[in-house]
Amino acid sequence: EIVLTQSPGTLSLSPGERATLSCRASQSVSSSNLAWYQQKPGQAPRLVIYSASSRATGIPDRFSGSGSGTDFTLTISRLEPEDFAVYYCQHYGSSLWTFGQGTKVDIK
Amino acid sequence: QVQLQESGPGLVKPSETLSLTCTVSGDSIRNYFWSWIRQPPGKGLEWIGDIFISGHTNYKPSLKTRVTISGDTSKNQISLKLTSVTAADTAVYYCSRVHIAEFDTWGQGTLVTVSS
Repeated sequence: EIVLTQSPGTLSLSPGERATLSCRASQSVSSSNLAWYQQKPGQAPRLVIYSASSRATGIPDRFSGSGSGTDFTLTISRLEPEDFAVYYCQHYGSSLWTFGQGTKVDIK
Repeated sequence: QVQLQESGPGLVKPSETLSLTCTVSGDSIRNYFWSWIRQPPGKGLEWIGDIFISGHTNYKPSLKTRVTISGDTSKNQISLKLTSVTAADTAVYYCSRVHIAEFDTWGQGTLVTVSS
């Protein structure tokens, strides 16, 4: 089973700053099967990035995803107030779905 | 636009069976895979299992002996049953639509508390 490890656990930044979130897989995975979600308090997760680098419908272009193999990154180029949330990476493979433990982006 | 709505009892006693329904509108459940995912209070996301109505189901190995996911095409609903629940099964339960290798649409979730 693939284990996804996200870092840091919490990222404290100010609006306008750049956020860089990491997701590391325990073994090499296909980029096609790596996604990122945003979750705000009391809400369901929302798909942000799929196939490692494709933005989901309605996601602004300040969000970008990159990476391959075992190391993947979600970047928010300039944080807007509505971007402060918890972000999860997710992998699908061998009929199993796994999530990272999440990175909280909070206001500094 | 597809919408998903989870429903079911908010309180289940230990050792009993948790039963939830996900009603899908705006799309036929025949067209996609559908998953159940849960989130204990204050914790991360855990995939439970998925279903394709033609007959495929797939469950998280650690839950496999207790989980059944089924579908009702006449009602356009997906159901989850989890037997022999304990306090560790207390969580918000989400249903979601699978798009290739990601969950592109989610229900709002329903909190199920396991307590006597």
